[in-house]
Amino acid sequence: DSGVTQTPKHLITATGQRVTLRCSPRSGDLSVYWYQQSLDQGLQFLIQYYNGEERAKGNILERFSAQQFPDLHSELNLSSLELGDSALYFCASSVAEGGNIQYFGAGTRLSVL
Amino acid sequence: GENVEQHPSTLSVQEGDSAVIKCTYSDSASNYFPWYKQELGKRPQLIIDIRSNVGEKKDQRIAVTLNKTAKHFSLHITETQPEDSAVYFCAARRGYSTLTFGKGTMLLVSP
Repeated sequence: DSGVTQTPKHLITATGQRVTLRCSPRSGDLSVYWYQQSLDQGLQFLIQYYNGEERAKGNILERFSAQQFPDLHSELNLSSLELGDSALYFCASSVAEGGNIQYFGAGTRLSVL
Repeated sequence: GENVEQHPSTLSVQEGDSAVIKCTYSDSASNYFPWYKQELGKRPQLIIDIRSNVGEKKDQRIAVTLNKTAKHFSLHITETQPEDSAVYFCAARRGYSTLTFGKGTMLLVSP
């Protein structure tokens, strides 16, 4: 167990809907990262937060947004869902802004039908 | 930005053989190179990492080598075992920027 908690584990929804994925980082970690993993793709970096502030953006669609709350948990919001958004979404955390070791959560598997 | 290429995409070996996975990176200022292992249905986990001031690092049956001039680094697994079967990801990072991952290598170790 990495200490990073993601909920829910599985999510099944329909096209056009909106969902929220939640991540609680390891105790003491200030940085949270979100990744998308599709079948033939590696780990695509979406966005990073550090102590409540957005720090870096990757290939995140405009339909997606995220935030990190004062208690350091983070939420990834996906809206106007399309079939192609079906993927495994991972959250990772690290101690510092550029913390070397990223600890991954177990992921949320999103299926858009 | 950084670009990381990883080869091969799949690798099949017999138990006891060695396995080598190679990655190249584009940003010559990258200075941190971790390797993650992802077993089927599980989360990626760090197995070894190397910094740019070191040419090689070893941990039991796994080792990583770094060639800064050629901008490539490799993961070496010796005496492979069936439990080594997984997807392996390399990554690179410059300073405090985010990690850029390769697309992964599926390693299959046959008994």
